[in-house]
Amino acid sequence: AQKITQTQPGMFVQEKEAVTLDCTYDTSDPSYGLFWYKQPSSGEMIFLIYQGSYDQQNATEGRYSLNFQKARKSANLVISASQLGDSAMYFCAMREWNQGGKLIFGQGTELSVKP
Amino acid sequence: DVKVTQSSRYLVKRTGEKVFLECVQDMDHENMFWYRQDPGLGLRLIYFSYDVKMKEKGDIPEGYSVSREKKERFSLILESASTNQTSMYLCASSSTGGPFEGQYFGPGTRLTVT
Repeated sequence: AQKITQTQPGMFVQEKEAVTLDCTYDTSDPSYGLFWYKQPSSGEMIFLIYQGSYDQQNATEGRYSLNFQKARKSANLVISASQLGDSAMYFCAMREWNQGGKLIFGQGTELSVKP
Repeated sequence: DVKVTQSSRYLVKRTGEKVFLECVQDMDHENMFWYRQDPGLGLRLIYFSYDVKMKEKGDIPEGYSVSREKKERFSLILESASTNQTSMYLCASSSTGGPFEGQYFGPGTRLTVT
């Protein structure tokens, strides 16, 4: 079974608008971490934001926020005020504490920002 | 800043060749990982290592081997390259301490096997 699911293969957003990228996860481990990475066309994976399973508040990093709904097992990434440089692949990933340092990745969402 | 480097950005090899992909990290991280990335499949873990001379299979180890003789260096070996190993290969490292154990990635190697 898929542990991390990103159901949007591709998305478009107008510059300066907000966009939400969906991610759902599946785990029975009470301790886990959720991550979002950005991969521009150059190929490098850039860490964006992290949410721990016990964190009470949603994580935020500048224009990035993570909408964490634990009961629904969702960890959506919200990008506010989109910029042309936000065009990239975005990956959601999960680390389960009982699985050591391994990350499990979703299939990715390709975001295109239109001027 | 954490730095993870990979030996090549682009590599073209022939079927049957032995291929070495090298990864070096400079942050004294215990954990190192090799992934391959294919369109529509995301990143899939090939092998990982928690310590020098230690290795564990990931989800798709077939056709690959690894070597970790020094803490900072983790090599991926394709014993006999095949066309279905044409892919993007990403190396990553992480530490084992603390609640945040994200992985830091290298720039990737685009391998083409002809």
